[in-house]
Amino acid sequence: DTEVTQTPKHLVMGMTNKKSLKCEQHMGHRAMYWYKQKAKKPPELMFVYSYEKLSINESVPSRFSPECPNSSLLNLHLHALQPEDSALYLCASSFRDSPYNEQFFGPGTRLTVL
Amino acid sequence: SQQGEEDPQALSIQEGENATMNCSYKTSINNLQWYRQNSGRGLVHLILIRSNEREKHSGRLRVTLDTSKKSSSLLITASRAADTASYFCATDRKTPLVFGKGTRLSVIA
Repeated sequence: DTEVTQTPKHLVMGMTNKKSLKCEQHMGHRAMYWYKQKAKKPPELMFVYSYEKLSINESVPSRFSPECPNSSLLNLHLHALQPEDSALYLCASSFRDSPYNEQFFGPGTRLTVL
Repeated sequence: SQQGEEDPQALSIQEGENATMNCSYKTSINNLQWYRQNSGRGLVHLILIRSNEREKHSGRLRVTLDTSKKSSSLLITASRAADTASYFCATDRKTPLVFGKGTRLSVIA
């Protein structure tokens, strides 16, 4: 199994809602990533987990809360989001958190905040 | 910022032609990677070239790296309509990867 899966594919939420994005991989990768991508822009890194521990938080607002329950799963909990948080949220994984490892991306969750 | 800058921002070619995209970056790197993204989807890794390599091939892809000029190029030969996508270079000195702004390639059948 060489893919990263993400659920849901689309999500519409109000500013007072709480929702979660889910990412899963079964490639034995020990590094997992969340990216945010606005239209016609490159992906921007949000969080990195290495061996289930948060290793990088790119100054992301606390309304985004990541969680790595085990080596195969990565969640992104969303609460009190703003309309400007609407974007494509991409999950990725790599063998290790190393510059020499390619990253495998999921198809993304298209999030709309009303 | 060590973000890469792709050039051109958009490129439109006929099927069968070659497409060349360039990437420039600002700081020294460990390696440079190229990714493809079909509209609104996840990114797909194409090729990684290490800082001590000058050229690398993978199928119809040819990547060059000039560390003295801090630049890389991606050549897609004999393009196909299915090559229509955005192409990003990604650089790093340490993790994480930093993606350039991308080149949007349109291959017209």
